[in-house]
Amino acid sequence: AQKITQTQPGMFVQEKEAVTLDCTYDTSDPSYGLFWYKQPSSGEMIFLIYQGSYDQQNATEGRYSLNFQKARKSANLVISASQLGDSAMYFCAMREGLGDYKLSFGAGTTVTVRA
Amino acid sequence: DSGVTQTPKHLITATGQRVTLRCSPRSGDLSVYWYQQSLDQGLQFLIQYYNGEERAKGNILERFSAQQFPDLHSELNLSSLELGDSALYFCASSVRPETTHEQYFGPGTRLTVT
Repeated sequence: AQKITQTQPGMFVQEKEAVTLDCTYDTSDPSYGLFWYKQPSSGEMIFLIYQGSYDQQNATEGRYSLNFQKARKSANLVISASQLGDSAMYFCAMREGLGDYKLSFGAGTTVTVRA
Repeated sequence: DSGVTQTPKHLITATGQRVTLRCSPRSGDLSVYWYQQSLDQGLQFLIQYYNGEERAKGNILERFSAQQFPDLHSELNLSSLELGDSALYFCASSVRPETTHEQYFGPGTRLTVT
């Protein structure tokens, strides 16, 4: 079964607007972590934000915030005030448990920011 | 720049051949992870090493092997290459997995098997 689901293959957003990227996850482990990575066309993977399963507050990092809804098993990424440089592929990932630190990735969402 | 280095950046080889991908983690990072990104499989975890020892294994083929050396750099060996092995191979590192959250990814090695 798919552990991370990203249902939006591609999105367009106007510069300076906010965009929400959806991510749902599936785990029975009470301890897990959720990550978002950005992959520009150059190919590197850039860490954006992290949310732990026991964290009470939604994570924020600059223009990135994570809308964590534990009961719904969703961890949506919100990018505020979009910039042209935000055009990239975005991946949601999960780490489960305390003894195994591999990341399971979703299929990704391509974001294109329009001027 | 994440501080993780990978060589080579690009590799073109023929079916049946063997290649070695190299990764140097960030200074101080003890754990190294290898991932494969392909069009049909997406991003998949291959294997993890921590301080020289294998820690976790994912969907890694028997034709593939890896190791982490005393200086903490790691190598991923791919043998009897097939067309389907063409992919972007990432190395990532973290200090101690249980205390740090993020894995820092290298720029990747793009392997093309012809």
